[in-house]
Amino acid sequence: ILNVEQSPQSLHVQEGDSTNFTCSFPSSNFYALHWYRWETAKSPEALFVMTLNGDEKKKGRISATLNTKEGYSYLYIKGSQPEDSATYLCASANTGNQFYFGTGTSLTVIP
Amino acid sequence: DSGVTQTPKHLITATGQRVTLRCSPRSGDLSVYWYQQSLDQGLQFLIQYYNGEERAKGNILERFSAQQFPDLHSELNLSSLELGDSALYFCASSVGQGPSPLHFGNGTRLTVT
Repeated sequence: ILNVEQSPQSLHVQEGDSTNFTCSFPSSNFYALHWYRWETAKSPEALFVMTLNGDEKKKGRISATLNTKEGYSYLYIKGSQPEDSATYLCASANTGNQFYFGTGTSLTVIP
Repeated sequence: DSGVTQTPKHLITATGQRVTLRCSPRSGDLSVYWYQQSLDQGLQFLIQYYNGEERAKGNILERFSAQQFPDLHSELNLSSLELGDSALYFCASSVGQGPSPLHFGNGTRLTVT
């Protein structure tokens, strides 16, 4: 069982602020790092899947980076909007495609 | 819409009972995963199937069992239910090969009274 940790646990930011959170994971047996966005009363939706050290992915105002050697990934949100309010989950997948999730960062964007 | 269907949406039952949760994966996905989310906890991995065969087990209790059928739908059976089994149970599917993302169903909310 992989120990995936996310920080901070929760975050409140003002609309327009940029923010970032961290996901750390064991670097041994690493295969892929996933980010998911989970809105209240919905199911998690995939944002990014990253595999290579130094990988950087972007979708609109959200981007993510990956460092497999030291075992961390950052998720960045530029110019946060109220609709970005959600829990952001990361998951580390091993070579058997077993996914281990962190407990998430709960983001609240205050209008 | 993720394409993953879970039934029922809600289930209320008494301690000691047995229930079955069902999941139809997204079309084309061969792998099915079951996760449990209890109050204030993250997603706990229970079990994974790939093309009808069990591939990995996580924190699944002996009272729980699952299977994936030839048509790739999956069932999670929970027996001798306890109050602590109350949780949101998610099914997710993926292609199962390569670094493919998970597609989640809307979950089944189980309440044990």
